[in-house]
Amino acid sequence: GAVVSQHPSRVICKSGTSVKIECRSLDFQATTMFWYRQFPKKSLMLMATSNEGSKATYEQGVEKDKFLINHASLTLSTLTVTSAHPEDSSFYICSARTLRGDSPLHFGNGTRLTVT
Amino acid sequence: RKEVEQDPGPFNVPEGATVAFNCTYSNSASQSFFWYRQDCRKEPKLLMSVYSSGNEDGRFTAQLNRASQYISLLIRDSKLSDSATYLCVVNSAQGGKLIFGQGTELSVKP
Repeated sequence: GAVVSQHPSRVICKSGTSVKIECRSLDFQATTMFWYRQFPKKSLMLMATSNEGSKATYEQGVEKDKFLINHASLTLSTLTVTSAHPEDSSFYICSARTLRGDSPLHFGNGTRLTVT
Repeated sequence: RKEVEQDPGPFNVPEGATVAFNCTYSNSASQSFFWYRQDCRKEPKLLMSVYSSGNEDGRFTAQLNRASQYISLLIRDSKLSDSATYLCVVNSAQGGKLIFGQGTELSVKP
């Protein structure tokens, strides 16, 4: 089945630093990848839709200058949390679908970010 | 109103029980529907897609009622390993985004 790899799985950083999270589709090409965030005991909240070769589409309330998304190839999207603060601590999960628009999402294993 | 709503639970059931989860969605133009399972501190994993005619996969049965904008998941003969959070997911009509319900927590006890 389709595999999505996300790295790192866990990161602890100091307030004010930037953190880059990578999401790769390993055995399929993903024109679209999605970035979600999940707080404890809460549902996944879509942050942005990453489109290969074009600008990401951000959901309402998500700061595009803080959460930089780059989707430079059909197999790689990156999310950079800039100038991280403790309130950015969360579980970040990327996902991708194969070219069919109605196919289910395949998720990366997530990145648990802790900002101290 | 949330786009996708679920009963958050938790549902505490004994092994062998049958349990049903319900989900409603607000966008009548939604086209595809899924149930995902999420274990604690892990990523969601696809459990099954939901088809208009209803579908079954072993102990799991999914139903869709488009008129009522309602999706259900039935788990028969619950196992301890079924303990997890079950997420109802709807493909938004706009751009293919998947919208997640808040999840229903299931705890199966011996």
